[in-house]
Amino acid sequence: GAGVSQSPRYKVAKRGQDVALRCDPISGHVSLFWYQQALGQGPEFLTYFQNEAQLDKSGLPSDRFFAERPEGSVSTLKIQRTQQEDSAVYLCASSSTGAATEAFFGQGTRLTVV
Amino acid sequence: GENVEQHPSTLSVQEGDSAVIKCTYSDSASNYFPWYKQELGKRPQLIIDIRSNVGEKKDQRIAVTLNKTAKHFSLHITETQPEDSAVYFCAAKEYGNKLVFGAGTILRVKS
Repeated sequence: GAGVSQSPRYKVAKRGQDVALRCDPISGHVSLFWYQQALGQGPEFLTYFQNEAQLDKSGLPSDRFFAERPEGSVSTLKIQRTQQEDSAVYLCASSSTGAATEAFFGQGTRLTVV
Repeated sequence: GENVEQHPSTLSVQEGDSAVIKCTYSDSASNYFPWYKQELGKRPQLIIDIRSNVGEKKDQRIAVTLNKTAKHFSLHITETQPEDSAVYFCAAKEYGNKLVFGAGTILRVKS
């Protein structure tokens, strides 16, 4: 594809609801990253995949957050039992290198928990 | 872990003037430093990056300088234009594959 694609663009969830956010990376990109961006802040790292392997999940805030990339392409970030503090923009990025260099971001999913 | 501080938080310049944004990092092992531009409601866009084996890199009106000894790097935009108005984020790649971002600088170019 032309770039990193994320869906949905906007999601409103009731507190306690489960949500799933999708990321389609640039075709052929081996590295995929998820970041969380609170209003007025820089993106904060959540997790990193190289192909289908999740190599770093140190940024996931709690065990309610789960990410997968089963076939080494599309990735899903799942948040269970959403809380108000989960409200943020969730950004996905991909890179053709096996590192965080030259990473290109998607437009993000804005999650609002009410 | 890595900590990145970015200054100033807001910057207003007159069209045609230069703008400089500075970042410091804490981890001497960090070896890659990208800059992203983010317009309101849009994706962060990679505008320039520099690796630790280089002191300066330039791309048209944009340049980045790196001082490894002092652990700081700066973004320089010359001949600013209204379309340069956006939020700019610096980042540092710490050991592994994690980018640690600064808090951002809101740049306003007044015409």
